[in-house]
Amino acid sequence: GENVEQHPSTLSVQEGDSAVIKCTYSDSASNYFPWYKQELGKRPQLIIDIRSNVGEKKDQRIAVTLNKTAKHFSLHITETQPEDSAVYFCAVSSGTYKYIFGTGTRLKVLA
Amino acid sequence: NAGVTQTPKFRVLKTGQSMTLLCAQDMNHEYMYWYRQDPGMGLRLIHYSVGEGTTAKGEVPDGYNVSRLKKQNFLLGLESAAPSQTSVYFCASRASRLGEQYFGPGTRLTVT
Repeated sequence: GENVEQHPSTLSVQEGDSAVIKCTYSDSASNYFPWYKQELGKRPQLIIDIRSNVGEKKDQRIAVTLNKTAKHFSLHITETQPEDSAVYFCAVSSGTYKYIFGTGTRLKVLA
Repeated sequence: NAGVTQTPKFRVLKTGQSMTLLCAQDMNHEYMYWYRQDPGMGLRLIHYSVGEGTTAKGEVPDGYNVSRLKKQNFLLGLESAAPSQTSVYFCASRASRLGEQYFGPGTRLTVT
């Protein structure tokens, strides 16, 4: 079955530095890769997504890169700010009705 | 446009009691999902529905039942609650197979 591994589980960075979170997946038919941000006590919300026909996508300070050959994709946050502190989840879908979520990365941005 | 709403927000049950969690969405989405979130385990899919009148099992369905009698509502039932079902429950909906899932605000359930 599908499997998604997410690393690291926790990440601390100094304000202004970059943060990178990586996910690997097992199903080569996977074709949609979203990232969700969950602030403490809140619901997960989509921050960026990428489809399998694209290698990279950027939205201001956030970017996602996809390597289909190696079956991994990464979230990059540049110029981190305290409000970036949250739990980030990757997910994978192969066009079926389900997403498979990673186990999450708790990002702490230190002022 | 309220998006995805969940009722109740908090609940405490005793072992063996039953309850129903209600999820409602006003976006005319076909697909709806119930997840549970436990510390360090991410979001695990309990049941899902691909349209009115349809339901299917997810990753962790045991101890739960669901119904989707109306397109806008997805109900999650616990027939006999157990302490292992203490968790935060999120409902989500999606318009199509690929695309954003919209989550509800969550229900924090404690079973003593």
